[in-house]
Amino acid sequence: GQNIDQPTEMTATEGAIVQINCTYQTSGFNGLFWYQQHAGEAPTFLSYNVLDGLEEKGRFSSFLSRSKGYSYLLLKELQMKDSASYLCAVSESNYQLIWGAGTKLIIKP
Amino acid sequence: TAGITQAPTSQILAAGRSMTLRCTQDMRHNAMYWYRQDLGLGLRLIHYSNTAGTTGKGEVPDGYSVSRANTDDFPLTLASAVPSQTSVYFCASSETSGESNEQFFGPGTRLTVL
Repeated sequence: GQNIDQPTEMTATEGAIVQINCTYQTSGFNGLFWYQQHAGEAPTFLSYNVLDGLEEKGRFSSFLSRSKGYSYLLLKELQMKDSASYLCAVSESNYQLIWGAGTKLIIKP
Repeated sequence: TAGITQAPTSQILAAGRSMTLRCTQDMRHNAMYWYRQDLGLGLRLIHYSNTAGTTGKGEVPDGYSVSRANTDDFPLTLASAVPSQTSVYFCASSETSGESNEQFFGPGTRLTVL
C-alpha cells in the first residue's frame, strides 16, 4: 500500500539547525514535495526533488534518496517564523499527490 | 493577483443540508483539486480536474460532487452533509497535472456539520 511517515512534532532552538525526515512507500514515484503550513493558513510550496541528492534554497535544503524511499528537509539558522507544520508529499504514477500528516515544528527562543 | 479564492471562510451546517463550497483561480491553471484536512491525517484528495470539462475521483470522493464548467471555477457540493464531513477544505490548482507541478492553495473553508 501507500504510506508516508513523518515525525508528528519536533522542537528546536532559534538559530539552530533541524532536519525533518520523511519516508515513503508509494505505487510509482514522480517526485517529492515539501510544503510549509502555518497554523490556520494554506500550505505553501518549499521544494521539489525528483532526482537523488540535495537541493539547496537559501536556509532550506531538501534531500532525496529514491532507493531508500527517504527524504529530509533541512532548515538552518532557525527563526521564530519557521514555527509551522512541514508537509511531505509524493507524486505518484498518475501525478496525484499523497500527503504525509505533517511535522509540527516548534521553535523556542 | 488574487491567486485562488475560496468561499465561505467558515460555515456551520446542519446535518442533512446541502452546501456548495466555491473556488476560483485567476492563474489560468488547467488542473484544480479539492482536499480535506483533518487533524492527524494528511491532506486527502476528494476530487480533481485535469482540465475544464473533465473531473475525476480522488481518495475520498463519497458524499461530494464537483463540476468544472470553465477554467477558473471548481465548486464542491455536499448533497446531504453528515458530521464526518466536518473538516477544513482546501482548493488547489496547478499549471498542468503533470510532473513537478507545484500546487497553489486557497485559504481554506472551515466546515462544521452538526
